[in-house]
Amino acid sequence: DVQLLASGGGLVQPGGSLRLSCAASGNTFSSYAMAWVRQAPGKGLEWVSGISIGGGSRYYADSVKGRFTISRDNSRNTLYLQMNGLRAEDTAVYYCAKTVQYITDCLDNWGQGTLVTVSS
Amino acid sequence: QSVLTQPPSVSAAPGQKVTISCSGSSSNIGNNYVSWYQQLPGTAPKLLIYENTKRPSGIPDRFSGSKSGTSATLGITGLQTGDEADYYCEAWDGSLSAGVFGGGTKLTVL
Repeated sequence: DVQLLASGGGLVQPGGSLRLSCAASGNTFSSYAMAWVRQAPGKGLEWVSGISIGGGSRYYADSVKGRFTISRDNSRNTLYLQMNGLRAEDTAVYYCAKTVQYITDCLDNWGQGTLVTVSS
Repeated sequence: QSVLTQPPSVSAAPGQKVTISCSGSSSNIGNNYVSWYQQLPGTAPKLLIYENTKRPSGIPDRFSGSKSGTSATLGITGLQTGDEADYYCEAWDGSLSAGVFGGGTKLTVL
């Protein structure tokens, strides 16, 4: 089974930036799409962003479009989420998750999550 | 406001059966597969059902999924206290070009 380890969360002021990382175990990282899903405290799951196998196609929720950028480095087995212009409503646990293959597939493996807190 | 609509909560006694509904539209459930996830308290979500009806290895057959038109349903039989969790439906939305989740349903096993 692939293990996903998310990191990079922390406390940041409104308007600030943060970069999340998600390291995947094994040698199959370049064979599946990846996504970020977040969960605000006490709330439900929100799909944030997704990226295709090669990184050429990127998708975003309207709530983060223009502020967040997803990327991946298949040579390092790592997924990233660059978050700029952070707002209080971006406060959440951010999970990385892998799909079976395509971005439209189910999320069959999830990381443990990293907490992002946006506050002054 | 979530794109997919689920009841906020359901409850049933141990050993009983419960169903959780998920309603969407033609841009998501109507034309794409539905997945279901279980989130136990304090843990990351786990895939429960994929491609509307299929169970990953290790998921007991007490859990089942179905889909009809723009709605989907998760069924759980032989309820156990360990099934108490939040359950989420999810599908790809072709109009949004993004994944969408339901608001989640909290299952209480009385």
